[in-house]
Amino acid sequence: DAGVTQSPTHLIKTRGQQVTLRCSPKSGHDTVSWYQQALGQGPQFIFQYYEEEERQRGNFPDRFSGHQFPNYSSELNVNALLLGDSALYLCASSLYPSGPETQYFGPGTRLLVL
Amino acid sequence: ILNVEQSPQSLHVQEGDSTNFTCSFPSSNFYALHWYRWETAKSPEALFVMTLNGDEKKKGRISATLNTKEGYSYLYIKGSQPEDSATYLCASPAGSGNTGKLIFGQGTTLQVKP
Repeated sequence: DAGVTQSPTHLIKTRGQQVTLRCSPKSGHDTVSWYQQALGQGPQFIFQYYEEEERQRGNFPDRFSGHQFPNYSSELNVNALLLGDSALYLCASSLYPSGPETQYFGPGTRLLVL
Repeated sequence: ILNVEQSPQSLHVQEGDSTNFTCSFPSSNFYALHWYRWETAKSPEALFVMTLNGDEKKKGRISATLNTKEGYSYLYIKGSQPEDSATYLCASPAGSGNTGKLIFGQGTTLQVKP
């Protein structure tokens, strides 16, 4: 049973560019959440997708957008990249909250913005 | 605003030592507390989900307790081994109920020396 997978593993972009990160959830899961982990901090919630709609959003600007596909996989898009967007981006999957559901994480995509 | 805090930030122990660290969270509107272990270059691994005051969970040499009235959880590792070296994260859902939006602490990084 494959766990959560993310691609690519590493990415280097320059300021002003756009980036797309991808996530495939654990088999049987229908909800995908995205987190950003900057150096020295805990992961910060970006947004969550269920039934192809953004259900919740953290304190991130509109430059951060996402999508969920019918097969439950998801993309995170970041436009007009800033140096401060350099971070590890984690994807987590779960069943839609109906209790204290555990979120299962992928290994992350390391983004470096130069 | 939900604020989850962990202490200490880092810990260095010798193999065989037992250790513990703390996660603090607001006691009002408590819903659940998650503990994760995150080894370098791997995905964060779910350890425990705790929901009830007085909950105690155990997984091998690792155990956790929960006090929702005073807003803290302890994670204990008995007889630490080098393979226990990792960052331990706690997280709680933001807002009331299970929103799926996890707020993480900064983590406690444990180094176990052989």
